[in-house]
Amino acid sequence: DGGITQSPKYLFRKEGQNVTLSCEQNLNHDAMYWYRQDPGQGLRLIYYSQIVNDFQKGDIAEGYSVSREKKESFPLTVTSAQKNPTAFYLCASRPGTGLSGASYNEQFFGPGTRLTVL
Amino acid sequence: AQKITQTQPGMFVQEKEAVTLDCTYDTSDQSYGLFWYKQPSSGEMIFLIYQGSYDEQNATEGRYSLNFQKARKSANLVISASQLGDSAMYFCAMRVAYNQGGKLIFGQGTELSVKP
Repeated sequence: DGGITQSPKYLFRKEGQNVTLSCEQNLNHDAMYWYRQDPGQGLRLIYYSQIVNDFQKGDIAEGYSVSREKKESFPLTVTSAQKNPTAFYLCASRPGTGLSGASYNEQFFGPGTRLTVL
Repeated sequence: AQKITQTQPGMFVQEKEAVTLDCTYDTSDQSYGLFWYKQPSSGEMIFLIYQGSYDEQNATEGRYSLNFQKARKSANLVISASQLGDSAMYFCAMRVAYNQGGKLIFGQGTELSVKP
């Protein structure tokens, strides 16, 4: 079955540590996104990538880093510079160019990773 | 500035009745897309319905319909015949222009509770 996987589901980090959240998709989608969700809030964009080896900062990129070495993978590193990293992190992907209609526009989401800083 | 506003933090509806969740948006783009997602307590984001800015007909997907009023910049979600399983958070989102990455801007969400 095609879809987006995120691991781990729950992650605990000590202050001062870097952690990496995994996001993998087998949908052959070109674009991938990382969002952060705080309790009772909507999602905010951290980083996005429209093609391999290229990515752009979103609205809240400070303290985060990403890479896009393969089309299928878009890992997110939460660095020690992120002051308040406890949140729910969602990865999403979108088909890309050349199509039209709702299926093209729709972003598919992974199940998410809950990160807690101890 | 591009923004999505959901003014109803929580809503209650009786099972089998219809409910409308409000969403207004702000953008100066001519081309944009509007989405509704459902988020149950498990956290996954489930796509419900999509409306393009140039679509003249209101979108419908089963029990979900989107009441799109472009001049008023509103995109309300109507759920007909509510079910207990509809209890969840609902988010309205706007897709920005593709040359800006096609990112989604989300509202704060509405928590819907369906009563038996």
